Amino acid sequence: AQTVTQSQPEMSVQEAETVTLSCTYDTSESDYYLFWYKQPPSRQMILVIRQEAYKQQNATENRFSVNFQKAAKSFSLKISDSQLGDAAMYFCAYTITGANNLFFGTGTRLTVIP
Amino acid sequence: DAGVIQSPRHEVTEMGQEVTLRCKPISGHNSLFWYRQTMMRGLELLIYFNNNVPIDDSGMPEDRFSAKMPNASFSTLKIQPSEPRDSAVYFCASRPRGGSEKLFFGSGTQLSVL
Repeated sequence: AQTVTQSQPEMSVQEAETVTLSCTYDTSESDYYLFWYKQPPSRQMILVIRQEAYKQQNATENRFSVNFQKAAKSFSLKISDSQLGDAAMYFCAYTITGANNLFFGTGTRLTVIP
Repeated sequence: DAGVIQSPRHEVTEMGQEVTLRCKPISGHNSLFWYRQTMMRGLELLIYFNNNVPIDDSGMPEDRFSAKMPNASFSTLKIQPSEPRDSAVYFCASRPRGGSEKLFFGSGTQLSVL
């Protein structure tokens, strides 16, 4: 069974500081994708960053980067220079290449303190 | 591009009434997904269409739920009769052909069944 675990229900960070959100997943597959989605109060699910499992290089999108540890099945999100607009629920998600479903974690609520 | 468009944004209805949620996927996308989000169960896939054909409806909770995709630009999710436990946010998402498994979400419909 494929599962995604986010062990931090809530996190907080001071504005301009760095925060890391944790995610682990369980799979027997070798070809898959991992994602971080952001859900602000507007409810919109916004893709933050994507990682292909076959790529060893960690994905980076501006202030957002991941630490992908395939052997450990870990996929953490680092937000640098945190901004007030980063406050949201963050969901880690996983899908097998070519499959239908996107499996989501339970989310981490991030608060940014001015 | 306007993105995935869902309507209504909010729906309040009474138990036993029929509810129809609507979705317009991004033009050119050939896969469409309906998800339900609740506090207790997080994000769950209800049904998935590929080229307007339902492929996997194993997530549909029961016969009260039905989904259609009459053409590439429109899908509906219907609940009849609705029950209070159906209260949730319902998301529609679409994916382009060969789109690296990345889903584009609509803003969701907040359904409240009284």
